[in-house]
Amino acid sequence: AQSVTQPDIHITVSEGASLELRCNYSYGATPYLFWYVQSPGQGLQLLLKYFSGDTLVQGIKGFEAEFKRSQSSFNLRKPSVHWSDAAEYFCAVGTGTASKLTFGTGTRLQVTL
Amino acid sequence: DAGITQSPRYKITETGRQVTLMCHQTWSHSYMFWYRQDLGHGLRLIYYSAAADITDKGEVPDGYVVSRSKTENFPLTLESATRSQTSVYFCASSESGHYYEQYFGPGTRLTVT
Repeated sequence: AQSVTQPDIHITVSEGASLELRCNYSYGATPYLFWYVQSPGQGLQLLLKYFSGDTLVQGIKGFEAEFKRSQSSFNLRKPSVHWSDAAEYFCAVGTGTASKLTFGTGTRLQVTL
Repeated sequence: DAGITQSPRYKITETGRQVTLMCHQTWSHSYMFWYRQDLGHGLRLIYYSAAADITDKGEVPDGYVVSRSKTENFPLTLESATRSQTSVYFCASSESGHYYEQYFGPGTRLTVT
């Protein structure tokens, strides 16, 4: 069965600093990979997605992610974090049939000024 | 307004009572999903639907019932609520074949006392 691991439960970075959130997946075939963001009290919003092709994908709000098949990873990055990026971030893998997603447990990002 | 809405946004109910959470989307998306979000577990799929009158179980279906008589609506019913069903519930939808990109509603916070 597929699974997603986000090893960091909580990360704190200073505004302007770079950010990398880790995501590892387990899936036998080529995965479809997603990063979603959830602001406090809100639903989830898609940041970016990877299906095939270029392993470096660009998303909204200045985020990017790199798919590394050899490491089963899909880490999310941002060169310079803004205070408004404070939120919870979820990695997800789409598998097989029925458009189902399997989510990681999330990483909460705190941004200090 | 176009989009996906959930009602109620907040609900307190007592153990043993039946409660229905509503989800409505205006995009005519084929797929709809119900998730629950709990600390330490991320989002877990309860039920999903590929089209009207087609539903299937997700990861944690016990204690829940769904129906989908119309494409735009996907209600979730807790037949006899238990304290373990205290959670935040999210509804989502996606187009058929749209590579799993799901659009989320704002969530319903349910407390079972």
